Parts: sequence; structure tokens; C-alpha cells
Amino acid sequence: GAVVSQHPSWVICKSGTSVKIECRSLDFQATTMFWYRQFPKQSLMLMATSNEGSKATYEQGVEKDKFLINHASLTLSTLTVTSAHPEDSSFYICSADNRQGIYEQYFGPGTRLTVT
Amino acid sequence: KNEVEQSPQNLTAQEGEFITINCSYSVGISALHWLQQHPGGGIVSLFMLSSGKKKHGRLIATINIQEKHSSLHITASHPRDSAVYICAVLSGTYKYIFGTGTRLKVLA
Repeated sequence: GAVVSQHPSWVICKSGTSVKIECRSLDFQATTMFWYRQFPKQSLMLMATSNEGSKATYEQGVEKDKFLINHASLTLSTLTVTSAHPEDSSFYICSADNRQGIYEQYFGPGTRLTVT
Repeated sequence: KNEVEQSPQNLTAQEGEFITINCSYSVGISALHWLQQHPGGGIVSLFMLSSGKKKHGRLIATINIQEKHSSLHITASHPRDSAVYICAVLSGTYKYIFGTGTRLKVLA
């Protein structure tokens, strides 16, 4: 099946710094990539939808200036958490979809961010 | 009320038991996805369904479009099946609506 990778798998950063998380589709070109956030024992919450070469579409309540998304190619999207604060500590998951044939989204393994 | 409801929320079973996890939804969908999330957080796609039934190993997923209901069955459960199982539906646009998950623990 299709593989989506994320890097790093975990990161600890100090409050006020910025952190970049990469999401790559390894064996297919993704039409769209999605960024989710998950708090402990809660379900995934969609943050934004990212299309290659265009601006991301953010869900209501998600600060686009804080969570910068860049989708430079059909296989790479990045999420940058700017000026991170402890409340940004969470599990961030990306997915990529393949609209060739039967639609499916493939999920990355996630990135655990801890802001101290 | 959530658009996607799962039951039970938590489930503890003995090894070897037959397990059923249910998902009901209230919106029109184009497909339903069963996902497995292990304690480390990584998500594995189990099934994508738009009708009928699918089987993979010890896992079986069924969907009834008219009743807006899907079930995930695990036969001969094993401790390694312990995980959170998430039902997600595709409705309209290419966005998922996620259920809150079922936390399964299988005891040896």
C-alpha cells in the first residue's frame, strides 16, 4: 500500500521557538495533504487541507499565522508551528490522498511535539 | 450529538474472544474507513468500505448503507490487537468525519 512518512517522529522544543514537521508521500503523488492534531484520548481534529502550489485551507479556529503550511511539491508538505507554546504540545498527524481510482487517504505515523 | 458515533467507547476482552465494534453515522457518505491506532500513535488503515463486507485475516468489516451502520469484527482476538479503533466517514468533500474511537484491550 501507499506510504506516508513524517519527520521528525518526536520533537521537544523550548517555548517561543518554531518547529517544522515534514510529511512525505513516498510512492505516490498526493493530490492533497491533510494536517490533523490529536490531544490525548481524543479523536483526530482536522487543522488544514493543503494542495500543491496553492494556499492551505484552514479549519475554523486554527490560526494560519501560527501553523504555517507549505506544500511545495506533490510529495511534500510541511507544517511549521511558530512561536510554540506549551499548549501547542500535541500529536500531529498528516495524511495524503490519492484520487487515482478508489479514493483513500493514507496516514503518516505522526509527530509528537512537546513544548517546554 | 456527534455525526459519527462509536460503541463501545472502551472494551476489555480475553484472548480468543470474538469482538465487535460498532459505528453509526447520521450523514450521507461516499465511503467509510476503519483505522487502527496503536499506543505509539501511528495510524494504520484497516478497511475502506462503500458497501457490503470485507475480510482481511482475522478482521471483518461490514457496512449497511441504508441503516447507516458499520461493524468491525475481530475473530480470535489477541493481545496485539489492543489499540484504539477509529471509524471515519467521507462525506461530500474529501474530508473525514471521525468517530471518537473505541479503546480495545485484549488480555492474555
